[in-house]
Amino acid sequence: EAGVAQSPRYKIIEKRQSVAFWCNPISGHATLYWYQQILGQGPKLLIQFQNNGVVDDSQLPKDRFSAERLKGVDSTLKIQPAKLEDSAVYLCASSLVGGALKNIQYFGAGTRLSVL
Amino acid sequence: AQTVTQSQPEMSVQEAETVTLSCTYDTSESDYYLFWYKQPPSRQMILVIRQEAYKQQNATENRFSVNFQKAAKSFSLKISDSQLGDAAMYFCAYRRGYNNNDMRFGAGTRLTVKP
Repeated sequence: EAGVAQSPRYKIIEKRQSVAFWCNPISGHATLYWYQQILGQGPKLLIQFQNNGVVDDSQLPKDRFSAERLKGVDSTLKIQPAKLEDSAVYLCASSLVGGALKNIQYFGAGTRLSVL
Repeated sequence: AQTVTQSQPEMSVQEAETVTLSCTYDTSESDYYLFWYKQPPSRQMILVIRQEAYKQQNATENRFSVNFQKAAKSFSLKISDSQLGDAAMYFCAYRRGYNNNDMRFGAGTRLTVKP
């Protein structure tokens, strides 16, 4: 079974530029999460989707961050314009909605963003 | 608000020895789940072990086991017979049981395994 796929693995941009990250969850996983992991910290949830609807985006800085999951499968997270403090690893995770495994989140390898 | 605290930024263990990583959490909920994730340099978070709060029996997965003390809100991870491949960041995480979101992570413990 294929895991959570993310691209790119690395991205370096100048401040005020825009950037986009892509995530393809495990097949059949209706719930998708985007996390921000700043160096030396644990991941922090940015947004959660169930199918193509947003469940929780309370910690997403909506003035510069946006995310979509139009067809309820893959998802894109965008930052525009980027700030220096956005430098972090952006992790995508997915999980089932029901069943005994619904509380387990499976993670991708993340995208490391450096804003210069 | 639920918080997760890992008080050991770094730990070291000799290969084949046993090490225990500490985690405490704060919650007013009675139904929740606790997890330990491993993050090697490849950055991918890998689930090591999970514990349902309603279960009194401590979870075990091969060389990994937990000591879950619900009253003390403590959830430590014991790694037996440590191997070089166990070297990684370990994160403790908490999630409410009735809502499929809002997983909170601790700051992590970096484990070094010495040959």
